[in-house]
Amino acid sequence: GESVGLHLPTLSVQEGDNSIINCAYSNSASDYFIWYKQESGKGPQFIIDIRSNMDKRQGQRVTVLLNKTVKHLSLQIAATQPGDSAVYFCAEVYNKLIFGAGTRLAVHP
Amino acid sequence: GAVVSQHPSRVICKSGTSVKIECRSLDFQATTMFWYRQFPKQSLMLMATSNEGSKATYEQGVEKDKFLINHASLTLSTLTVTSAHPEDSSFYICSAKSRLETQYFGPGTRLLVL
Repeated sequence: GESVGLHLPTLSVQEGDNSIINCAYSNSASDYFIWYKQESGKGPQFIIDIRSNMDKRQGQRVTVLLNKTVKHLSLQIAATQPGDSAVYFCAEVYNKLIFGAGTRLAVHP
Repeated sequence: GAVVSQHPSRVICKSGTSVKIECRSLDFQATTMFWYRQFPKQSLMLMATSNEGSKATYEQGVEKDKFLINHASLTLSTLTVTSAHPEDSSFYICSAKSRLETQYFGPGTRLLVL
């Protein structure tokens, strides 16, 4: 389930389950959105992106959904693996790239 | 994919000293580079945007005289934290934008000011 930590909310899932990480963005004029994965002590790693003229985009085991009406973005990870454990950030782009708050994904065997 | 490097990866310094962090795009030319700061358990906060050959644009609340940015070439940007204090201890991450507008991130530099 979800819980709110000191700053980062945490999503705990069982290995093999699907994960859904949500994000609210702030600028309705943002035209490009990106999901990043950040492991401890490392820089952000690109996962998948989506343009504002799309509602859904699929990659390998990941799907991003965009709801512009409510300014909401989600990342779905299928068959979550221990290696997926990390902090996930959404980012919106309008002239510059601004990160959202982040969610820690903890995958348990 | 494109690679962005940062040096050093970790640095410890005494309060009052200055620290320079380098950001390099290794296999592409970056007309624009960005500097972010990340405190523990928080998101990345954009500090400034630097364009090659021109002055950096700083975000609101970021002191330009404290965080000096130089983008002297299409592959190198430097961030100098001047007169560093313990509250400047953080994880500093750069990113570089290619001509195709894709933004690539470096591995980060952890700064600890004693």
